[in-house]
Amino acid sequence: EAQVTQNPRYLITVTGKKLTVTCSQNMNHEYMSWYRQDPGLGLRQIYYSMNVEVTDKGDVPEGYKVSRKEKRNFPLILESPSPNQTSLYFCASTSVATNEKLFFGSGTQLSVL
Amino acid sequence: QKEVEQDPGPLSVPEGAIVSLNCTYSNSAFQYFMWYRQYSRKGPELLMYTYSSGNKEDGRFTAQVDKSSKYISLFIRDSQPSDSATYLCAMRMNSGYSTLTFGKGTMLLVSP
Repeated sequence: EAQVTQNPRYLITVTGKKLTVTCSQNMNHEYMSWYRQDPGLGLRQIYYSMNVEVTDKGDVPEGYKVSRKEKRNFPLILESPSPNQTSLYFCASTSVATNEKLFFGSGTQLSVL
Repeated sequence: QKEVEQDPGPLSVPEGAIVSLNCTYSNSAFQYFMWYRQYSRKGPELLMYTYSSGNKEDGRFTAQVDKSSKYISLFIRDSQPSDSATYLCAMRMNSGYSTLTFGKGTMLLVSP
């Protein structure tokens, strides 16, 4: 089954404790992206990657890091989480050739205390 | 002015009603238009995609694009309680690959 898998589904942590949210896709997509979704603000792009070792900032990259060492994986790293990073996070992927259809993961609800 | 404007709702309708969801945009470079549906606590999923002005129909759903007015719509006929979700419009430019710009989403509630 074609899918984007995110883990964990829910995460509660404390300020300053480094964390990683994993994302993996099994569709051989070149493009992967991270979004955060907040009430009243909608979906905002954090980082995206056009291919292995190619990453670029989205609209709200501050406080986040990403890496793309393998085509299927695109982890999101919060080196020192803060309460304002409490949000619902989505990973997404698509083929660059037909990029109208983004495939989204099920989301990670992060709470930073 | 935001690039994409979408009324957040909620929009409450009875089962069987015709629903109209809308987005306006300011950037005339947007050429491709999409509607995503997002159920509570789930990721968005693509519902409709179009790149030309006019209407595109898929079952009970019709996507309409008016590029001259910078206005897109999604119509849902014979709405069902299972249509209750948040609907996000999205659009992108026609410059090779480009990132999607999303509206904030409209929450739709269809009551039995």
